[in-house]
Amino acid sequence: DIQMTQSPSSLSASVGDRVTITCRASQSMGSYVNWYQHKPGKAPKLLIYAKSSVQSGVPSRFSGSGSGTDFTFTISSLQPEDFATYYCQQSYGSPWTFGQGTRVDIK
Amino acid sequence: EVQLLESGGGLVQPGGSLRLSCAASGFTFSDYAMSWVRQAPGKGLEWVSSISGSGSGGTTYYADSVKGRFTISRDSSKKTLYMYMNSLRAEDTAVYFCAKGSPYRVSEFDFWGQGTLVSVSS
Repeated sequence: DIQMTQSPSSLSASVGDRVTITCRASQSMGSYVNWYQHKPGKAPKLLIYAKSSVQSGVPSRFSGSGSGTDFTFTISSLQPEDFATYYCQQSYGSPWTFGQGTRVDIK
Repeated sequence: EVQLLESGGGLVQPGGSLRLSCAASGFTFSDYAMSWVRQAPGKGLEWVSSISGSGSGGTTYYADSVKGRFTISRDSSKKTLYMYMNSLRAEDTAVYFCAKGSPYRVSEFDFWGQGTLVSVSS
């Protein structure tokens, strides 16, 4: 199984800050990495698919990059509605695994 | 507008069974893969099972942790996804989310429901 190691597990940031989350895969997987946002009691939301493609309707402050085994998710300017938990996920091969999650809260 | 509405969760004893349903609307249900993803209390997301669209033969996929105990299926006439859960264990306790596959890959989950809670306890 492909392991997705996500870091940090949590971070505190202020509105307007640039936030970066990383995900390292246990094997190379091309561009098959997705990023999701999840708020308590809500449906998770796809933000980035195929490493760097922004899902329709998602603000441009969200972006993704990376290659091989190392992938990065960035929020360029954190907004109040962005406080949530973020997950990476590999869609390269079954079983499709998620990272452990990064909780972003208010500093 | 895509909508996914899960139902069927509840409290069940260890070794018991449960059937989850996910009613879909707002898209051509038969064309897309569908999946179940769960979140145990205080834990992260865990993929459970997927089924491909009708055009791909309805191929099924399972996590090792549920293989042989859970069965995923779909009824395109009712636009509904199902998960039959047998031999339930305490570690199956979680919120179960239904998710739609993207136009590109089974395992890109582009829309999700709000989930249904399954509690396994005596």
